[in-house]
Amino acid sequence: QQQVKQSPQSLIVQKGGIPIINCAYENTAFDYFPWYQQFPGKGPALLIAIRPDVSEKKEGRFTISFNKSAKQFSLHIMDSQPGDSATYFCAARVSGSARQLTFGSGTQLTVLP
Amino acid sequence: DAGVTQSPTHLIKTRGQHVTLRCSPISGHKSVSWYQQVLGQGPQFIFQYYEKEERGRGNFPDRFSARQFPNYSSELNVNALLLGDSALYLCASSLGTGRTTGELFFGEGSRLTVL
Repeated sequence: QQQVKQSPQSLIVQKGGIPIINCAYENTAFDYFPWYQQFPGKGPALLIAIRPDVSEKKEGRFTISFNKSAKQFSLHIMDSQPGDSATYFCAARVSGSARQLTFGSGTQLTVLP
Repeated sequence: DAGVTQSPTHLIKTRGQHVTLRCSPISGHKSVSWYQQVLGQGPQFIFQYYEKEERGRGNFPDRFSARQFPNYSSELNVNALLLGDSALYLCASSLGTGRTTGELFFGEGSRLTVL
């Protein structure tokens, strides 16, 4: 029940395309869903996050869509750029005192120039 | 302001040895968490400390231990190293443990190779 399933494992798009990364979860106690971006040799950096009382959140070129009934959420990157090439992780957290994030397995995104 | 700093950045150990990894949180952050990231996978939660007390523990064997010091820095210790312990060990800090203070900021990690 603690798993977060992420797909696809890898994704290649042309510059300007809109890559979409999907995640699904089972644990209905999750109440916070962040996305992290990780470049090679670096730690994950928080990109955008959403709570289940909101169906969509947009920050710049990044949008999270959230479907509470389906227990799914996705990341869309508008007008993707070669600099967006990185590994993206979805994650989820149960409210409480621990900052325990459960991460998906990651999506390696390549944006071709 | 400096971000989360970790040391060492890279280290190589042999099976059976022990290792100590260190983390300094962002100034003002009182909570430190440790994650293990095996190559090609997402990070896995190991420990969380807040105000020097353990607040959460992931599914890792007792060979893994940690502590937090009065200045909020932290150490992760791993004893009797196994080949499978080879991974990037990430430290993350946050202001606190509340709903609005829980954003995690990760360091660049310590890359451990066990031979």
